[in-house]
Amino acid sequence: GAVVSQHPSRVICKSGTSVKIECRSLDFQATTMFWYRQFPKKSLMLMATSNEGSKATYEQGVEKDKFLINHASLTLSTLTVTSAHPEDSSFYICSASRASGSYEQYFGPGTRLTVT
Amino acid sequence: GQSLEQPSEVTAVEGAIVQINCTYQTSGFYGLSWYQQHDGGAPTFLSYNGLDGLEETGRFSSFLSRSDSYGYLLLQELQMKDSASYFCAMRDDKIIFGKGTRLHILP
Repeated sequence: GAVVSQHPSRVICKSGTSVKIECRSLDFQATTMFWYRQFPKKSLMLMATSNEGSKATYEQGVEKDKFLINHASLTLSTLTVTSAHPEDSSFYICSASRASGSYEQYFGPGTRLTVT
Repeated sequence: GQSLEQPSEVTAVEGAIVQINCTYQTSGFYGLSWYQQHDGGAPTFLSYNGLDGLEETGRFSSFLSRSDSYGYLLLQELQMKDSASYFCAMRDDKIIFGKGTRLHILP
């Protein structure tokens, strides 16, 4: 199977600081990675799509200067929440697909971010 | 616009069969996927329908009717561990998830 890891699994930070979340595809090369945000008992909200070596495509309403995404290699994408505020507290999940347009995504275990 | 509709909650009895419906609306459509998510965990892929008809994978089956913009996930021989949220998702240029159906299973 395809394994995607995320680090850290949980993070607590103070308001105003920045937090970086890593997403790695461990046993395959991911041409495309996706970042989602999920509120308790709610659906996954797609934040952005990142393709290796190019700028991320952000969904409407997602601030690209606040949620910085870097996809530096075929196995690593990072999401940095800059100047975090309590309303940024959420469950952030990444996923990866083997090929552009693939219907199957492999999800990481998620990162629980709490901003105090 | 793009949208998916699925029931927010479904309750069934252990050992029974349950069907979770999903209707969608989109201008471009390539297929319907289903994902399972347990509380606190990440979604896991269950099935995909790119063509009309039924896809069977063990106790789980998924159906798609493009003409009706409709699909469903069928879970048979329900087990307590099947208690989870189930999301339908559609793919056009990206994958969009429905709001999820929380499945409660009674012993």
